[in-house]
Amino acid sequence: KAGVTQTPRYLIKTRGQQVTLSCSPISGHRSVSWYQQTPGQGLQFLFEYFSETQRNKGNFPGRFSGRQFSNSRSEMNVSTLELGDSALYLCASRPTINTEAFFGQGTRLTVV
Amino acid sequence: AQRVTQPEKLLSVFKGAPVELKCNYSYSGSPELFWYVQYSRQRLQLLLRHISRESIKGFTADLNKGETSFHLKKPFAQEEDSAMYYCAPGNAGGTSYGKLTFGQGTILTVHP
Repeated sequence: KAGVTQTPRYLIKTRGQQVTLSCSPISGHRSVSWYQQTPGQGLQFLFEYFSETQRNKGNFPGRFSGRQFSNSRSEMNVSTLELGDSALYLCASRPTINTEAFFGQGTRLTVV
Repeated sequence: AQRVTQPEKLLSVFKGAPVELKCNYSYSGSPELFWYVQYSRQRLQLLLRHISRESIKGFTADLNKGETSFHLKKPFAQEEDSAMYYCAPGNAGGTSYGKLTFGQGTILTVHP
């Protein structure tokens, strides 16, 4: 069974640009959540989607958004990039809410 | 607000020695407690969850509701246990179900 796949693995963007990251969950998993990992702040929850609906949202500005498609694939978008958005973005999927989260390898975003 | 404290950023022990990774949490409601582990060059993965009361790779964790702690223990550390460990309470119900709040992590190094 294929694991959680995140694309791209690495990304370099310029301040002010926008970026879209993609996450393909494990087949059959309906819940997808996103986390930002930085050396200073550690792992922070961004949002979670279940059956195309956002169920939870973390304390991030409105520049961070996401969506989930009918096939459970999810995308997150960051607009007007800032240097501080440089981070590893992790996606995790679960079959349902009350189960173990399986993480992807992450997308390393660098904003210059 | 939910808060997780892992007081040790770095922990070094020798092979065969006991190891304890500390985790204290401040959480409203009744959280479900998890420990996640990240080995070198691997993705974040679940080590154990308190509700299952399992021992994984020799590790156990006892939930102490009075002290709001969920320390991870292993009686005899092995070199392959060297990794980054994260304590992560998750909401056990309600609208925030599925959201994980990660501690800052503890890097465990087991010396031969």
